[in-house]
Amino acid sequence: GENVEQHPSTLSVQEGDSAVIKCTYSDSASNYFPWYKQELGKGSQLIIDIRSNVGEKKDQRIAVTLNKTAKHFSLHITETQPEDSAVYFCAATTGSGGSQGNLIFGKGTKLSVKP
Amino acid sequence: DAGVTQSPTHLIKTRGQHVTLRCSPISGHKSVSWYQQVLGQGPQFIFQYYEKEERGRGNFPDRFSARQFPNYSSELNVNALLLGDSALYLCASSLQATNTEAFFGQGTRLTVV
Repeated sequence: GENVEQHPSTLSVQEGDSAVIKCTYSDSASNYFPWYKQELGKGSQLIIDIRSNVGEKKDQRIAVTLNKTAKHFSLHITETQPEDSAVYFCAATTGSGGSQGNLIFGKGTKLSVKP
Repeated sequence: DAGVTQSPTHLIKTRGQHVTLRCSPISGHKSVSWYQQVLGQGPQFIFQYYEKEERGRGNFPDRFSARQFPNYSSELNVNALLLGDSALYLCASSLQATNTEAFFGQGTRLTVV
């Protein structure tokens, strides 16, 4: 089955700096890779996702890159702000739904942005 | 538009008791999935329901069960609670059964004492 590894587990940056979180996956059949931001009391917010037919996707200060050959994908946050502080989770799925196609999550990265 | 809503937000139960957690998906979404998130870990898949039928089940004991109603809301039931069942239970809804573009609720924090 799929296995997703996420690094680092904690990340501390100064406001305005960039933050990068990396994930690797094991199942070459995985074709959809979302990123979630989890804040206390606010649940888990889907912030960006990428499909396997695309190498990079950007949304304002957030970008995700995918390397299918190496089976890894990364989240890039530029010009970080204190409100970016949260736990970020990457996930992978084959997109088929069901027992074999559910979301497999990494263990999370706690991002702290210091003002 | 309301997002995914879960109730209750917090719950304390005693070992051996039974618990029912509820989830209302985003309007129009027919797929509901349940995940368990223990402290320091990512969410782990428990069940997926699509169009009121079970589409998938994760590696959880038979004490865990779920169902989906005609209005696509869902319940997760856990019997004979163990201390190890203490976790954040998350519900996710998506338009399709593929689990792409899944939106999560705030979760139910279950504490078993």
